[in-house]
Amino acid sequence: GESVGLHLPTLSVQEGDNSIINCAYSNSASDYFIWYKQESGKGPQFIIDIRSNMDKRQGQRVTVLLNKTVKHLSLQIAATQPGDSAVYFCAENIDSGYSTLTFGKGTMLLVSP
Amino acid sequence: KAGVTQTPRYLIKTRGQQVTLSCSPISGHRSVSWYQQTPGQGLQFLFEYFSETQRNKGNFPGRFSGRQFSNSRSEMNVSTLELGDSALYLCASRGGPSQETQYFGPGTRLLVL
Repeated sequence: GESVGLHLPTLSVQEGDNSIINCAYSNSASDYFIWYKQESGKGPQFIIDIRSNMDKRQGQRVTVLLNKTVKHLSLQIAATQPGDSAVYFCAENIDSGYSTLTFGKGTMLLVSP
Repeated sequence: KAGVTQTPRYLIKTRGQQVTLSCSPISGHRSVSWYQQTPGQGLQFLFEYFSETQRNKGNFPGRFSGRQFSNSRSEMNVSTLELGDSALYLCASRGGPSQETQYFGPGTRLLVL
């Protein structure tokens, strides 16, 4: 079946750099997307979400961009900090009435001081 | 407001046994979903409960079951455990069908020997 995939399994950056984590999705019917951060030994932590009727959404130090034409989602983290080191997952939901999130495989972000 | 809690945090079982995991959602949240996370398959949806009713189910065998109580707490049960059931089991809650953001608990780490 269709699934969400990630281009890069590991991203290494220096502290203070901006990070960009990418995600490709294949289901054009998906109408809701979420980014989660998962630290070792913890459950996924909600970062930011975006609906399909939006192209961009900003949070604190994070921005999510959605390009429906090429079915691409990205998470931008400004001024990356060592505490941002974690695995980042994108997830999509086809039907907002249900909680059936389809997750990508994840990208490991490593931030060096 | 307290987050999603899961008990126990760690479990070791042997093949053929059964196990019950518990999840308490965020106060006021009525929807609870369960996910299985493994290194090979990533995060996969198990099922969702809302108002004590299973609303949706993922592609898992019948050995995996769940229920929800009137206070929205949920349990999932896995019978006749197999080695491949070793995983991190995550519970997520949201307010209801019209509220899309799911918040995850820390998970229960199950090891089947």
